[in-house]
Amino acid sequence: DQQVKQNSPSLSVQEGRISILNCDYTNSMFDYFLWYKKYPAEGPTFLISISSIKDKNEDGRFTVFLNKSAKHLSLHIVPSQPGDSAVYFCAASLGSSNTGKLIFGQGTTLQVKP
Amino acid sequence: AAGVIQSPRHLIKEKRETATLKCYPIPRHDTVYWYQQGPGQDPQFLISFYEKMQSDKGSIPDRFSAQQFSDYHSELNMSSLELGDSALYFCASSRGQVADTQYFGPGTRLTVL
Repeated sequence: DQQVKQNSPSLSVQEGRISILNCDYTNSMFDYFLWYKKYPAEGPTFLISISSIKDKNEDGRFTVFLNKSAKHLSLHIVPSQPGDSAVYFCAASLGSSNTGKLIFGQGTTLQVKP
Repeated sequence: AAGVIQSPRHLIKEKRETATLKCYPIPRHDTVYWYQQGPGQDPQFLISFYEKMQSDKGSIPDRFSAQQFSDYHSELNMSSLELGDSALYFCASSRGQVADTQYFGPGTRLTVL
């Protein structure tokens, strides 16, 4: 069963606009969430993370929002740039109660058009 | 900044052969994780090590084994290779057994013919 779900396989936005990538999870024990960006033929690159005790974390153009009651998180990219075009993975961890292994979503391919 | 190094980057093997993948973590990182990503799939956790001891095990076939050495590098050994083992194999490292952020290497693309 897929504990972390990214229901949108792809997203296309115009340069300069906001990109919103969504992620849902089923395990309420997850307490740490991360977003990774992946280009073809490269490993996932860490973008931003959020602990379950927070509902928002911001780093430059990237903001992650967490809604624990809905078991939902989202990544906002503002403004979107063509270089942001990549596959974005949401990942979750059981944190302090676990050895830190990550459970990944299926990924969303973002295309930012110039 | 130094990143996670994986070697080789590409590997082609025949069925029933063996393969060894190597991972060199970021300096001062003591935890290593291995993930397998099949075509069009999300990365799946295989196994992890902390301070040279296995710390967790996921969906890793019995044909696979791994270890972490005294210098913290790790090797994933795969025997009796099957066509279905063709995938990207990522190694990630972090500092501490219960770490927040894992940093990934570029991956090894294994093709089994």
